[in-house]
Amino acid sequence: AQTVTQSQPEMSVQEAETVTLSCTYDTSESDYYLFWYKQPPSRQMILVIRQEAYKQQNATENRFSVNFQKAAKSFSLKISDSQLGDAAMYFCASTGTASKLTFGTGTRLQVTL
Amino acid sequence: DTEVTQTPKHLVMGMTNKKSLKCEQHMGHRAMYWYKQKAKKPPELMFVYSYEKLSINESVPSRFSPECPNSSLLNLHLHALQPEDSALYLCASSPQGAVMNTEAFFGQGTRLTVV
Repeated sequence: AQTVTQSQPEMSVQEAETVTLSCTYDTSESDYYLFWYKQPPSRQMILVIRQEAYKQQNATENRFSVNFQKAAKSFSLKISDSQLGDAAMYFCASTGTASKLTFGTGTRLQVTL
Repeated sequence: DTEVTQTPKHLVMGMTNKKSLKCEQHMGHRAMYWYKQKAKKPPELMFVYSYEKLSINESVPSRFSPECPNSSLLNLHLHALQPEDSALYLCASSPQGAVMNTEAFFGQGTRLTVV
């Protein structure tokens, strides 16, 4: 079984600044994958970034990067140079060998001018 | 085409009605999923189809009946729903069948209201 915890219900960042969203997880599987998904008001879930647990190198995707601490079971998302379009609900998620994507409770990110 | 298309976008139905939600993808993905999302909550998995066969049913009530007629199409048949079934229903697909280690592509969802 997998559990994903996001302890920040809401976060706010000024445009062009950097923000970090926290996520911790628990799993009994040795092989698993971690994701950050973004859900804007349009409702569609969009993949932001993906991390394979067996890779030590942190994933990076343009302005988005993760800090993956496997021993601590931590998977935080850093957004650099925040833009108004980054405002959304962000979900951390994990999956193992089964086809089950387990989501955290989400963090609502506001971007202010 | 990298889209998952869901129809309708909005649906209002009575508790005695029968309706269906439709999901389509033309990316050649072999796994398709139904999720239910209540307001301000994360999506919850309902069903998984892998290679057109039902592989996971998360103890969903029988008033929800999934169907996968072919590899591109996924339906969710609704009958005798309750007001608490009102939610956003999300469809997703992923390239591989049994293992979800790649990106899942989501549709925009159907906002269902049961009256």
